[in-house]
Amino acid sequence: GENVEQHPSTLSVQEGDSAVIKCTYSDSASNYFPWYKQELGKGPQLIIDIRSNVGEKKDQRIAVTLNKTAKHFSLHITETQPEDSAVYFCAAQQTGANNLFFGTGTRLTVIP
Amino acid sequence: NAGVTQTPKFQVLKTGQSMTLQCAQDMNHNSMYWYRQDPGMGLRLIYYSASEGTTDKGEVPNGYNVSRLNKREFSLRLESAAPSQTSVYFCASSEALGLGSETQYFGPGTRLLVL
Repeated sequence: GENVEQHPSTLSVQEGDSAVIKCTYSDSASNYFPWYKQELGKGPQLIIDIRSNVGEKKDQRIAVTLNKTAKHFSLHITETQPEDSAVYFCAAQQTGANNLFFGTGTRLTVIP
Repeated sequence: NAGVTQTPKFQVLKTGQSMTLQCAQDMNHNSMYWYRQDPGMGLRLIYYSASEGTTDKGEVPNGYNVSRLNKREFSLRLESAAPSQTSVYFCASSEALGLGSETQYFGPGTRLLVL
């Protein structure tokens, strides 16, 4: 099955700096890659996703890049704010398959 | 539009007790899922229901059963709880499994402690 690895496990940045979280996947058939943000005591919320037919997607301060050849994808958050502090999860899925495979999460702390 | 709701929010069980976790969605989604989340790990799929009337095992189904009661509701049952089932349980739903419809939306979770 699919194996998703995520790094780093913790990340601290100063407010206004950028944060980058990286994930690798093992199954070349995976073609859908969402990113979730989980705040304390809440369920994961989708913040951005990318499909394998594009290499980059951007939504305001958040961007995701995908390198299919290397089988890795990254989340980029620019101009970080304290409210960006949360645990972020990457995931990978093959279209039509039932299972969304998650990374182990990155705890991001934005220091005011 | 409440999205995905789960009850209860918290539960403490003794080993061997049974309980049912409830999940409902109001987005008219076809597919529903149950995950568990353990410290230092991502979410792992327990069971899923691709559509009303069908259920299938996920990555970690042992010790659990599910029922897709109707299109809105998908319950998870622990027949004889064990300490290893202490976890946070999340229900999720998606429009379908197909291309463009696979985005999953998660509920707020149920924290379960088995003593």
